[in-house]
Amino acid sequence: AQSVTQLGSHVSVSEGALVLLRCNYSSSVPPYLFWYVQYPNQGLQLLLKYTSAATLVKGINGFEAEFKKSETSFHLTKPSAHMSDAAEYFCAVSGGYNNNDMRFGAGTRLTVKP
Amino acid sequence: DSGVTQTPKHLITATGQRVTLRCSPRSGDLSVYWYQQSLDQGLQFLIQYYNGEERAKGNILERFSAQQFPDLHSELNLSSLELGDSALYFCASSVAGVSADTQYFGPGTRLTVL
Repeated sequence: AQSVTQLGSHVSVSEGALVLLRCNYSSSVPPYLFWYVQYPNQGLQLLLKYTSAATLVKGINGFEAEFKKSETSFHLTKPSAHMSDAAEYFCAVSGGYNNNDMRFGAGTRLTVKP
Repeated sequence: DSGVTQTPKHLITATGQRVTLRCSPRSGDLSVYWYQQSLDQGLQFLIQYYNGEERAKGNILERFSAQQFPDLHSELNLSSLELGDSALYFCASSVAGVSADTQYFGPGTRLTVL
């Protein structure tokens, strides 16, 4: 079975500062890892995903994440936060070609201060 | 706009009642997933269908059932509703229904059980 742990339910940064949202995973098979963003009163939108190609994955809106097998981590970063980045971010894992039981983390709410 | 539609947007009902939530996947997507999002449980995978057949089952209660029709739309039926069933219910769709797929989420149906 797979699981993810998101460290920090709330993260607050100043506009222009580095954004770092942490995600650690557990999986008995090579994982597929995802970051989704949820804006208020909306569904989830994919930011990026890792599917065993390049370990550094670039996504939309300037976000990127690095898969580190030795640390079982898939942290999300963005060099410079914008006010529009304020949202809830979810890390998710699935594993095995036909194992579609995607497990989501508890989410991290990002606040961006002016 | 993800291309996934869900109806209704809001639903208010009483305990013991039965409701049906509807989802239309993106054009070309064969797989549909249902999720429940609540404050205490987070985002939980309920069930997945692929081209009309059930493919994976998560934390879905026996009081809940789903199906995918020949036109690929899906319905989630919730019966004998309890206060604790109040939540956001999301539908997602993907092309092939495999673990590496990107899942595209609808805007959700907010269910309130009084």
